[in-house]
Amino acid sequence: QVQLQESGPGLVKPSETLSLTCLVSGSSISGYNWHWIRQSPGKGLEWIASIFDNGRTYYIPSLKSRITISVDTAKHQFSLNLSYVTAADTAVYYCARDPGGGGGRNWFDPWGQGILVTVSS
Amino acid sequence: QSVLTQPPSVSAAPGQKVTISCSGSRSDIGNNYGSWYQHLPGTAPKLLIYDNYKRPSGIPDRFSGSKSGTSATLAITGLQTGDEGDYYCGTWDSSVSAYVFGTGTKVTVL
Repeated sequence: QVQLQESGPGLVKPSETLSLTCLVSGSSISGYNWHWIRQSPGKGLEWIASIFDNGRTYYIPSLKSRITISVDTAKHQFSLNLSYVTAADTAVYYCARDPGGGGGRNWFDPWGQGILVTVSS
Repeated sequence: QSVLTQPPSVSAAPGQKVTISCSGSRSDIGNNYGSWYQHLPGTAPKLLIYDNYKRPSGIPDRFSGSKSGTSATLAITGLQTGDEGDYYCGTWDSSVSAYVFGTGTKVTVL
């Protein structure tokens, strides 16, 4: 059974860097694409970053200057860094596996349970 | 970056059918494969449909997906109280090389 588990601080100060990790169990890291998705309070789902199996990374345009996604195959995990956070970055952050292979075929299955990150001083 | 448009809410009585539309453009739904997700309160989102109409193992055939041109549709038949929650469509947007979700639809069982 494939499981994803997000971890990281639940509280980050404004202007600091939010760092999250997604630990993958029951699945190889290789052969899949990996994503981060967030949901701000009262809002819908928002995809923010991907790292494909070929190493290419993709980011939502509005965050491109502040965001980095990376993978550590040896540790079976992938990570998200979001710098210079503001209150607008307060959200539940989800990690997800994408078995689709890319090329316009992308879907998220499974998802992690999500981690609430609050940006506040 | 485009956003896919969904109706804010749909509702029906138990046992009835609801359909949720997802309107996009040529660069997203029109030229790529769509998926649908169920997000129930307090849980992680769950994949319902991928590749426009395929169901993952374990998803009942009460859930079905279709695509026509630049729009996609999710149908839920035999509506159950456990189906109450938010539903999102999603697909890759080739024009900006980014994934986009729909605006989300709240399903209410009357």
